[in-house]
Amino acid sequence: DTAVSQTPKYLVTQMGNDKSIKCEQNLGHDTMYWYKQDSKKFLKIMFSYNNKELIINETVPNRFSPKSPDKAHLNLHINSLELGDSAVYFCASSQESWSDTQYFGPGTRLTVL
Amino acid sequence: GQQLNQSPQSMFIQEGEDVSMNCTSSSIFNTWLWYKQDPGEGPVLLIALYKAGELTSNGRLTAQFGITRKDSFLNISASIPSDVGIYFCAGLTYNNNDMRFGAGTRLTVKP
Repeated sequence: DTAVSQTPKYLVTQMGNDKSIKCEQNLGHDTMYWYKQDSKKFLKIMFSYNNKELIINETVPNRFSPKSPDKAHLNLHINSLELGDSAVYFCASSQESWSDTQYFGPGTRLTVL
Repeated sequence: GQQLNQSPQSMFIQEGEDVSMNCTSSSIFNTWLWYKQDPGEGPVLLIALYKAGELTSNGRLTAQFGITRKDSFLNISASIPSDVGIYFCAGLTYNNNDMRFGAGTRLTVKP
């Protein structure tokens, strides 16, 4: 069984479009995260979210927004895509909080043309 | 802000050799984590360290949480071809809910 899954695995789109990446975890975890990995493999936290609190990395543009329909899902919406948004986006989850081990999804490779 | 310096950036070793990589920071962390990332996959947790001075093993992997809480190392003994990948350290602070990753160590193992 896949613990943390993301769809799609690959996403190619044009500048200016709006797109979403879906994430689901079947671990019963309370907290989910989104990370961005750039072409140099540098991982950077974008958001962490549980039913109590959304923590946003202040460097993330407001074109990016997480949406959580329920505890098992945290989708990432991106508006007005830019070339620099091209990266691999990883979803992760942990039991309760930052102090718990995070489990990562397989990633979504976004290419903006 | 807190930055993690991970070294070396890359390593090319022969199968059977031991490997050592480390992360240092100018600030302290509450938790150190080591991940491995295979091509096209997400990072997978290898070892988690929660206490200064802690030394933890997972098979051929050994990691330590530095006494100063500002550094950590990961050792891999008797490397095998499937050890190939990118290894990331990550530091976590509870107070400000911050998690930082090192830039990664790309390991190549020659059979």
